[in-house]
Amino acid sequence: ETGVTQSPTHLIKTRGQQVTLRCSSQSGHNTVSWYQQALGQGPQFIFQYYREEENGRGNFPPRFSGLQFPNYSSELNVNALELDDSALYLCASSLDTGGGQPQHFGDGTRLSIL
Amino acid sequence: GESVGLHLPTLSVQEGDNSIINCAYSNSASDYFIWYKQESGKGPQFIIDIRSNMDKRQGQRVTVLLNKTVKHLSLQIAATQPGDSAVYFCAENTGNQFYFGTGTSLTVIP
Repeated sequence: ETGVTQSPTHLIKTRGQQVTLRCSSQSGHNTVSWYQQALGQGPQFIFQYYREEENGRGNFPPRFSGLQFPNYSSELNVNALELDDSALYLCASSLDTGGGQPQHFGDGTRLSIL
Repeated sequence: GESVGLHLPTLSVQEGDNSIINCAYSNSASDYFIWYKQESGKGPQFIIDIRSNMDKRQGQRVTVLLNKTVKHLSLQIAATQPGDSAVYFCAENTGNQFYFGTGTSLTVIP
């Protein structure tokens, strides 16, 4: 069974640029959630994708967007990068959407904005 | 909004002792909870979960206790080992969202 994999592991960008982060969900999982984890903080929910549609969103601006593909893999796109976007971006997959489903995380992409 | 907090940001224990990590949650409608372990440079790793219709659940060397009356969750680790050193998060589930606390850093002293 393949776990959640994310790429790239590290990325450096400058303010105003755009970035795309990628995630492959765990085998058999159809739901992907993205989180932002600032240094010393817990993960903050960005949004969830289920059946290629956004299925819930946290308190993040529209410049954070995503996609889910038919194979359940997903992308997180961030436009007009700001210094505060520097964080660890985590992807988590689960068997299904809805409550009561454990989410399994990848090791994240460390994004640094200069 | 949601608020998940931990009573102690850091915890140091002697190897072989038992560890207890506490967590308070604010939403009485939350019906599912997970404890995660996060090591440096890694993503959160699932440890154990519990549903709101249970008070206690045991795993291998770990026990989670849920007190819905006071909205409190705890993680007990038996015979703590150096490999248990990490940051521990509790996460509460409401709908399709998980809300995480800020974490407790556990250090095991050999």
